[in-house]
Amino acid sequence: DQQVKQNSPSLSVQEGRISILNCDYTNSMFDYFLWYKKYPAEGPTFLISISSIKDKNEDGRFTVFLNKSAKHLSLHIVPSQPGDSAVYFCAAAGFSGAGSYQLTFGKGTKLSVIP
Amino acid sequence: EAGVTQFPSHSVIEKGQTVTLRCDPISGHDNLYWYRRVMGKEIKFLLHFVKESKQDESGMPNNRFLAERTGGTYSTLKVQPAELEDSGVYFCASSQGTDRVFYRNTEAFFGQGTRLTVV
Repeated sequence: DQQVKQNSPSLSVQEGRISILNCDYTNSMFDYFLWYKKYPAEGPTFLISISSIKDKNEDGRFTVFLNKSAKHLSLHIVPSQPGDSAVYFCAAAGFSGAGSYQLTFGKGTKLSVIP
Repeated sequence: EAGVTQFPSHSVIEKGQTVTLRCDPISGHDNLYWYRRVMGKEIKFLLHFVKESKQDESGMPNNRFLAERTGGTYSTLKVQPAELEDSGVYFCASSQGTDRVFYRNTEAFFGQGTRLTVV
């Protein structure tokens, strides 16, 4: 059972427009959420995060929104740039049954920004 | 400062052979994680070390996988014998902290991954 879901495997956006990537989670014990960006042949790199006590966090062109009641978060990129083309992973952090604080990832969304 | 490094970057082995993956975390990071991504699927947790101790190995697929972190520095992940379904990209990540791994302005740093292909 997937605890973190990214239902859109891909997204294409025109340069300069807004990119919106969505993520849903099922485990209400998650208390910290992160977005990672991944280029081919590289490991995921941290992009932005949000604590469960907040509903918005902004960093330059990137904003993450959290709706706890809906168990939904989204990443907004505005304006989108061709260099933003990558796979974006949503991740949720929480304690496992074994007491380990760890990340649970979604399957990723491939964003293509068209010049 | 060096990031998380993994070796090798690629490995192609035959079914039944043994492969050992290595991860060097960022110096001073107590937490070390192994993750795996099978093609097209999510990045899945395998196990978590705090220093040299296994905190959680609930994600390890079966007893063909053995992870070690002697001395609390680098870690190895051995697959013996390898099966076709073990193919994927194996990521290592490290982070600071002990009781709470992720807090504001802190995150796990990932290595570039090892792409394992079992034929």
